[in-house]
Amino acid sequence: AQRVTQPEKLLSVFKGAPVELKCNYSYSGSPELFWYVQYSRQRLQLLLRHISRESIKGFTADLNKGETSFHLKKPFAQEEDSAMYYCALLTGTASKLTFGTGTRLQVTL
Amino acid sequence: GAVVSQHPSWVICKSGTSVKIECRSLDFQATTMFWYRQFPKQSLMLMATSNEGSKATYEQGVEKDKFLINHASLTLSTLTVTSAHPEDSSFYICSARRQGGGDTQYFGPGTRLTVL
Repeated sequence: AQRVTQPEKLLSVFKGAPVELKCNYSYSGSPELFWYVQYSRQRLQLLLRHISRESIKGFTADLNKGETSFHLKKPFAQEEDSAMYYCALLTGTASKLTFGTGTRLQVTL
Repeated sequence: GAVVSQHPSWVICKSGTSVKIECRSLDFQATTMFWYRQFPKQSLMLMATSNEGSKATYEQGVEKDKFLINHASLTLSTLTVTSAHPEDSSFYICSARRQGGGDTQYFGPGTRLTVL
């Protein structure tokens, strides 16, 4: 069965410091991975997906099939990056999403 | 574009009653809608996949007779929690996939259900 693991519940960094939110997955098929973000009192929204290979709000994520990872990175954290981040794996013909448990990113001055 | 709404945003009901939650895609047609459940400080767990005009597909362990899903049109899906009990108290979130829009899911704001 598929699984998404986000080992850190909380990641606290200083403004301007680099950020790396870890995500590992387990899936027998060809993985398609996403990062979703939930800002305070807002709905879940798509941040980026690996097939797009784009940078959104300064965030990037590279799929590493050898390490089965899809870590989210940003070189310089900003206060407005503080939010809950979920890694998700798309599976099956029904295109269902399996979510990780989420990591709360806290950026402090 | 791609806005999904849910109604109500929160509801309190007595044990044994039924509660209906609506999920609407406001500016697009959604062939597929998904219903998730989220417990406090936990991740989203997929409950069921709802396709317009057909029966919903439930995930393992989700009681289909308790969580009734209807997807009557391309813009509306409803989740009815029947004979609700305190353990059904949770945050219910829907998402919608745009017709012809690939795999991206657009999420609603969620509905908080409290069963007394």
